[in-house]
Amino acid sequence: NAGVTQTPKFQVLKTGQSMTLQCAQDMNHNSMYWYRQDPGMGLRLIYYSASEGTTDKGEVPNGYNVSRLNKREFSLRLESAAPSQTSVYFCASRRNGQGMNTGELFFGEGSRLTVL
Amino acid sequence: DQQVKQNSPSLSVQEGRISILNCDYTNSMFDYFLWYKKYPAEGPTFLISISSIKDKNEDGRFTVFLNKSAKHLSLHIVPSQPGDSAVYFCAASVLIQGAQKLVFGQGTRLTINP
Repeated sequence: NAGVTQTPKFQVLKTGQSMTLQCAQDMNHNSMYWYRQDPGMGLRLIYYSASEGTTDKGEVPNGYNVSRLNKREFSLRLESAAPSQTSVYFCASRRNGQGMNTGELFFGEGSRLTVL
Repeated sequence: DQQVKQNSPSLSVQEGRISILNCDYTNSMFDYFLWYKKYPAEGPTFLISISSIKDKNEDGRFTVFLNKSAKHLSLHIVPSQPGDSAVYFCAASVLIQGAQKLVFGQGTRLTINP
């Protein structure tokens, strides 16, 4: 019962390098999300995918791209990394359906990215 | 602009006493409010939620109160236990173009002292 799995857990990049953060969920959830967590800023939404085949921008999408590869997988790509993208990144999926319980997100363990 | 605010970065409470974490919001379109708990090096985990049409929801030691007129919610933990030491995030949910989006506050670090 893995839930939401993110890889890699740690990564150090040089400015200008590119990389992709991978995320997979095994709960058959329709919606998936990418957040970043920075000190004093809480969790900010980068991109989300309400269902397979759709993606939309969140609060802080600049410098990122996403791909909803299939229902299970949602990847986040940094094309040209910048020091401002140093952060902890969390992938999440949301329980299907309507109503209060569907606000519950299931998070991965996070990916700590440092851009030098 | 920060639509969900947790103005206390940290809170220290003695074991066995009540912990009260606060959260304010600005968007009246939020339909659900949630609290998440986060331990170091782990992802946030869901704790408790409340619908905007309710004013209280209780689950064991955890109770969330919602004051819509003040756009304020609070999480009460009683009695507080050492394992409750974590960062707590308040979140608000809104449906936009068919997609449910969560907006998070900055978090409050709760420390329970023995």
